Amino acid sequence: QKEVEQNSGPLSVPEGAIASLNCTYSDRGSQSFFWYRQYSGKSPELIMSIYSNGDKEDGRFTAQLNKASQYVSLLIRDSQPSDSATYLCAVNGGGATNKLIFGTGTLLAVQP
Amino acid sequence: ETGVTQTPRHLVMGMTNKKSLKCEQHLGHNAMYWYKQSAKKPLELMFVYSLEERVENNSVPSRFSPECPNSSHLFLHLHTLQPEDSALYLCASSQDNRVNEKLFFGSGTQLSVL
Repeated sequence: QKEVEQNSGPLSVPEGAIASLNCTYSDRGSQSFFWYRQYSGKSPELIMSIYSNGDKEDGRFTAQLNKASQYVSLLIRDSQPSDSATYLCAVNGGGATNKLIFGTGTLLAVQP
Repeated sequence: ETGVTQTPRHLVMGMTNKKSLKCEQHLGHNAMYWYKQSAKKPLELMFVYSLEERVENNSVPSRFSPECPNSSHLFLHLHTLQPEDSALYLCASSQDNRVNEKLFFGSGTQLSVL
């Protein structure tokens, strides 16, 4: 069973701090990794994708991938109350078809 | 707006009813997906369509029947559902169904089965 594991949280950080969200996955053959943000009652929204080892930065967001450790993380700098949401880690399950396997998500609460 | 529209937003149905969920994408994508999101569980992939052909059926019970008449429209026909089928049903699309493609989700249909 291919799995994606996330701490469900809530992760509480003060406004302006760095929020660090972590994800591990079981399939060593996974090639693509995504972070989605889901506000309560809304659909998931893609915020970052990463395909190779190392860091990828986009504005206040940095995704980090370590395939050897089967670990992917998302850093949010200068956290804002509007960043409060559930962050879903998704990993491609391998094979020929685009089958994303999702974690249960980490609830982030940014305190003003 | 992601360019993926789902209707209805909310649906309440009895176990003997037949209903359909509709999804339409305005992104020119060639692949469409149905996902199920239950409380405290990860999103579960149900079906994948590529150019109107079903390429994945993730062991979904036959009471869920998908239909993809063209690359812009996707339906999920529901019949004789069970209360445990109550969940948020999300449609998504991607440019094609290659492994690195990004998914764009619709707003979902919140389904309650009584």
